[in-house]
Amino acid sequence: GAGVSQSPSNKVTEKGKDVELRCDPISGHTALYWYRQSLGQGLEFLIYFQGNSAPDKSGLPSDRFSAERTGGSVSTLTIQRTQQEDSAVYLCASSRPGLAGLGKTQYFGPGTRLLVL
Amino acid sequence: RKEVEQDPGPFNVPEGATVAFNCTYSNSASQSFFWYRQDCRKEPKLLMSVYSSGNEDGRFTAQLNRASQYISLLIRDSKLSDSATYLCVVTLNSGGSNYKLTFGKGTLLTVNP
Repeated sequence: GAGVSQSPSNKVTEKGKDVELRCDPISGHTALYWYRQSLGQGLEFLIYFQGNSAPDKSGLPSDRFSAERTGGSVSTLTIQRTQQEDSAVYLCASSRPGLAGLGKTQYFGPGTRLLVL
Repeated sequence: RKEVEQDPGPFNVPEGATVAFNCTYSNSASQSFFWYRQDCRKEPKLLMSVYSSGNEDGRFTAQLNRASQYISLLIRDSKLSDSATYLCVVTLNSGGSNYKLTFGKGTLLTVNP
C-alpha cells in the first residue's frame, strides 16, 4: 500500500521567508510525528499528533515553528522567517492506532530537504 | 552526556564478514529499543525491535543489556546491500511518551566486494 508521502521533496528558500511542508500519513494511521535531521546530527523529535491534537510540541525549536493537522490526516509544518540554521531534512512519520502506552512502529516518509540561503 | 551514543564509524568490511555495532543510552527509564536502517538520502526504516531476551532475524541479532544500558546489533555474512547507516533508537514509556523516538547519530557501514 501507499506509504507516507511528503512534499515538496526539496525546497530552497531565502532567509526570512516562510515555508510550508506537507505530510500525508498512511491511511488509517492516527498518530503522526515530525522529526528533523540536520547535517551531522541525529534525528530529533519535533512534534506528535494524535488525531488532530498535538499533545507534545516539546521538540519545536522556536516559536517560528508550528504545525497543524486537519481531518486526522494531512499535516503541515510551517516555519516562519526561516533562518540558515533551519536547513535540514524534515521527516514525517505515522503509526497505527493502538493501546495507550504501547509504542507502535513509526513509518517514515522520504522527507523534505530544506535549504535556507 | 548524549541520550543515545553510537560509534559513528565508518566500518568497512568485506562481503561475508561479521560486524557488530554497540550503542549506549543514558536514561535508565528507557523502555523500548530499536535498530533502524537509513540508506543514503533515504528515510529511516525499522530493521528490528530489540527485546530483553535478545532476538534474531535472519543474519541480524540484537541484544539488550539493561544493567549496562547498551544495545548491540550483530550482522553475520555481510552483503553489499547491508551498506547503510544503522541507527540506534530508544523510547521512554514513562508519562505516556513512548511515541518519542530518540535516535543516535548512526553508524555507517560499508560492505566491500
